[in-house]
Amino acid sequence: DAKTTQPTSMDCAEGRAANLPCNHSTISGNEYVYWYRQIHSQGPQYIIHGLKNNETNEMASLIITEDRKSSTLILPHATLRDTAVYYCIVILPYSGGYQKVTFGTGTKLQVIP
Amino acid sequence: GAVVSQHPSWVICKSGTSVKIECRSLDFQATTMFWYRQFPKQSLMLMATSNEGSKATYEQGVEKDKFLINHASLTLSTLTVTSAHPEDSSFYICSARLGGRGNQPQHFGDGTRLSIL
Repeated sequence: DAKTTQPTSMDCAEGRAANLPCNHSTISGNEYVYWYRQIHSQGPQYIIHGLKNNETNEMASLIITEDRKSSTLILPHATLRDTAVYYCIVILPYSGGYQKVTFGTGTKLQVIP
Repeated sequence: GAVVSQHPSWVICKSGTSVKIECRSLDFQATTMFWYRQFPKQSLMLMATSNEGSKATYEQGVEKDKFLINHASLTLSTLTVTSAHPEDSSFYICSARLGGRGNQPQHFGDGTRLSIL
């Protein structure tokens, strides 16, 4: 699976949009981009995933560049509860048996009152 | 949404004890479950991939005899840390995939904090 690069940390004012970037320049054509977040001392929470089209759900929006070498997770109105470590990972579709999943170091997002 | 339950949430035990951690998918069948370990201030490290009814696939460097994984049903996988020692103290997290082939995401449990004295 392709590796990802994310900034170590970011701050965002409460109520503002949080834009979290991720570089995945070696992504292959059929690898999906997934975003998870981990609030302290909890298991990761799934946020969103996509292949090449932009995606939106009740939690966030995912913008993937046309060349798919980078993406941005957007939290439209950040709250204090969004303070967490955000992980961007790329994974091949599951085809049975074994699936390699590699978590990087993620971005620690601090939402400031 | 998909819910994965992990039990116990924390455990403290003496060195040499074996500890079993359960991972259940509550509202879906999970053909594949995953076990991760996370040390303080570090990222998640995949330990093994567990498929229902077959042997688990362990990542390089993870001892099969130390970390026994059983996935006997589509809703339950267990991780047993055998003869645990202080260096096995960590945060263990399981996840499960909804459905078979495709791009469905993994859903994670809330983790088990294991402390070996």
